[in-house]
Amino acid sequence: GAGVSQSPSNKVTEKGKDVELRCDPISGHTALYWYRQRLGQGLEFLIYFQGNSAPDKSGLPSDRFSAERTGESVSTLTIQRTQQEDSAVYLCASSSRQGVALETQYFGPGTRLLVL
Amino acid sequence: KQEVTQIPAALSVPEGENLVLNCSFTDSAIYNLQWFRQDPGKGLTSLLLIQSSQREQTSGRLNASLDKSSGRSTLYIAASQPGDSATYLCAVRPIDGQNFVFGPGTRLSVLP
Repeated sequence: GAGVSQSPSNKVTEKGKDVELRCDPISGHTALYWYRQRLGQGLEFLIYFQGNSAPDKSGLPSDRFSAERTGESVSTLTIQRTQQEDSAVYLCASSSRQGVALETQYFGPGTRLLVL
Repeated sequence: KQEVTQIPAALSVPEGENLVLNCSFTDSAIYNLQWFRQDPGKGLTSLLLIQSSQREQTSGRLNASLDKSSGRSTLYIAASQPGDSATYLCAVRPIDGQNFVFGPGTRLSVLP
């Protein structure tokens, strides 16, 4: 594919509902990252997948957040029982492992989530 | 814990000016530092990546420097254009972690 794609581009939901956000990384990229960006703030790391290794979930803010990745392809970020504080832009990035020092992340356009 | 700050938070300049954006990080144990550009409503675009062993990288009108020992990086933009208006983010990749740590960004406006 040409780049990282994310869907939906916008999502409005009611407090308490579950949402699923999807990320399609660049083909062949083994690493995939999810970030959250609240209005006017910097990027907050959520979770990282690298190949078949166990994901690094250290950034997930609560047990309402989970993510899965099938092999080295699509990833889904799920937020259960959404709260208004979950409103943010959720960004996905992928990279190929050329050596850590050379790693460049390529970002998708993001999913804008609004919890009413 | 690695922390990244950026100064100024916002900057407005007339077209044609040269300008410098600053990024500071608290822990010098990093693999690399990366500068990104974020346009409103869009994702991030990588501009320059500097490995920890490098001092600077250049791409067109952009030049990024890295002083790892002092925990600083600068992004120099020459002959600024209105199309350069965006938020500029820096991020470091710590040696003791898997994940990039981002600064809050500098919002740049270049006025025609």
